[in-house]
Amino acid sequence: NAGVTQTPKFRILKIGQSMTLQCTQDMNHNYMYWYRQDPGMGLKLIYYSVGAGITDKGEVPNGYNVSRSTTEDFPLRLELAAPSQTSVYFCASSPFQEQFFGPGTRLTVL
Amino acid sequence: DQQVKQNSPSLSVQEGRISILNCDYTNSMFDYFLWYKKYPAEGPTFLISISSIKDKNEDGRFTVFLNKSAKHLSLHIVPSQPGDSAVYFCAASGRTQGGSEKLVFGKGTKLTVNP
Repeated sequence: NAGVTQTPKFRILKIGQSMTLQCTQDMNHNYMYWYRQDPGMGLKLIYYSVGAGITDKGEVPNGYNVSRSTTEDFPLRLELAAPSQTSVYFCASSPFQEQFFGPGTRLTVL
Repeated sequence: DQQVKQNSPSLSVQEGRISILNCDYTNSMFDYFLWYKKYPAEGPTFLISISSIKDKNEDGRFTVFLNKSAKHLSLHIVPSQPGDSAVYFCAASGRTQGGSEKLVFGKGTKLTVNP
């Protein structure tokens, strides 16, 4: 099992550009999550999903969108990138309470 | 409003000694607590957890203690090893209205174990 995979590992965006961060899990977990981690801070929940077709906002959803068309995939979309979205993004999946994390995507918006 | 607090940003211990990482929480609805370990440029990995019906859980060198009345938990690592050097996150969960399990994370404590 590959676990949770994220692409890309690194990305630099210009202000106003858009991009999609990809997340795939092969553990057949129902729950999936997107977090961002800013320097010296904990992980903050952006969006989560309890199953295919169901998504909900987390603590910091503004500027992001998600979709969950399959159990495996949970992409995160940035429509108009802003410098405040410079961060490390982690995707996670969970069968219940313990969450399994991907390696992260480091995003810089200039 | 921080619901999960790790008040020590960093901790340094000697190899072979005990490491004690602390975590406080404010929400009485939390019923499950987890510790995650994170190395640079990697995602967090699950270390150990404890349910609110217990006050101690042990797994090898790692023990988590929960004091519900004080809303406090701690992670003990004995003996500490240089490979334990990482950032440790405390996390708490409680059922949301929708039934999903969301985790609330502390800011982390960077542990350095010196040889």
